Order: sequence, then structure tokens, then C-alpha cells
Amino acid sequence: SQTIHQWPATLVQPVGSPLSLECTVEGTSNPNLYWYRQAAGRGLQLLFYSVGIGQISSEVPQNLSASRPQDRQFILSSKKLLLSDSGFYLCASRVFANYGYTFGSGTRLTVV
Amino acid sequence: AQSVTQLDSQVPVFEEAPVELRCNYSSSVSVYLFWYVQYPNQGLQLLLKYLSGSTLVKGINGFEAEFNKSQTSFHLRKPSVHISDTAEYFCAVSDLGGKLTFGQGTILTVHP
Repeated sequence: SQTIHQWPATLVQPVGSPLSLECTVEGTSNPNLYWYRQAAGRGLQLLFYSVGIGQISSEVPQNLSASRPQDRQFILSSKKLLLSDSGFYLCASRVFANYGYTFGSGTRLTVV
Repeated sequence: AQSVTQLDSQVPVFEEAPVELRCNYSSSVSVYLFWYVQYPNQGLQLLLKYLSGSTLVKGINGFEAEFNKSQTSFHLRKPSVHISDTAEYFCAVSDLGGKLTFGQGTILTVHP
């Protein structure tokens, strides 16, 4: 079965600083990978998804970017964080459409 | 396009009482349906899923859901809740291509 590792678990960063969140997947190959964000009081918003190495699709315009340098590695980045980037970031993986997603444990980002 | 509506943002209930969390969806194509649970500061865990076949689906932790195609609903039920069921619950729909759309979430609070 799949396992998703996300780190760090919590992060406090000043406005204007860079960001790098990493997600790695074990137990499968060629997964579709996703980055979601939960802002306070809101549901899950899909930020990026990737169907393969180097292939990134952005769902919403924003201050963030994503990269997939390896099959089972998905990175979320920002050059300069904004206060509005605060939230709970979740990485997810999907192998088959009818299996749903497997989620990582998330990263709580607070921009101050 | 597909969408998911969770009709209740918060549901308070006493321990050992039954509970129903409501979910309606809209889609122009066949879909798969899912319920996820999220405990505080954790990722999402799959509770159950409907792919095809029997419209009554049983999941983990004593939860079940019934797919009603005519009413486009997929309500989650449990006959007797425990304190440990306190969490946020997300309904989600996936088309055959696998893109998952989540509802806004329902916070279930079980009181002693």
C-alpha cells in the first residue's frame, strides 16, 4: 500500500521568505500527485497536480509553484511568502481513479 | 463539471446517538463517491467509497453511506457515535478520469 511522507509537520515563516515543502511517496510507481491547501474555515482547495515527472498543472493562480523532479517526489515552493499563504498543506497520491486518494499527514504553515 | 455540497458545516451530537452527515453532488457523468475523515492536524483518511453495485456501502469505524442516484446524494451515517468520532468529514466525488472534488467539510462534535 502507498505511504506519503510530508515534512516539516509545522512551519512558521516571515512574510517575504522562501518556502519549500517536500512530499515523497512509497509503495507505488507512476502515481498522480496533488497539492491541496486548507485555509482556516475553508475546505480543500486543489493547488497543483502532476501526472508525471516534470508535468505540473496549476488549478489556481497564486504565489506558489510546484515541481516534480522524480517520479515519487513532489515539491511545493514559493520565492516570497505572503500572509495569505498560511494554511494546512496536504500532499496526495492516486494510482487508480476508483481508489481515491492517499493523503500525507500535512504541513501547518503560518506566515507571520 | 462536478460539485459537492455538504449541507451542514457543523453537527453536534451526544455520545451513543445516531448521526447523519449529508452530502449532495452534481455531475453530468458517472462518478465515484468517497467519504474522508480528518482528525486535528492530520491528513485525510478514507472512510468508505462507492464505485458501483450495492448502493449501501459500509466503511471503517462503523460508518456507512447510501448512494441515491435519483436524489444525487451520498449521506454518511453511524447508528451510535463515540467521542473518538469527533473530527471533520469530507464528501468527495471523482469522475472516471480521477479528478477529485471535495465538499466544504462537516465538523462532527460528539459530546459526552
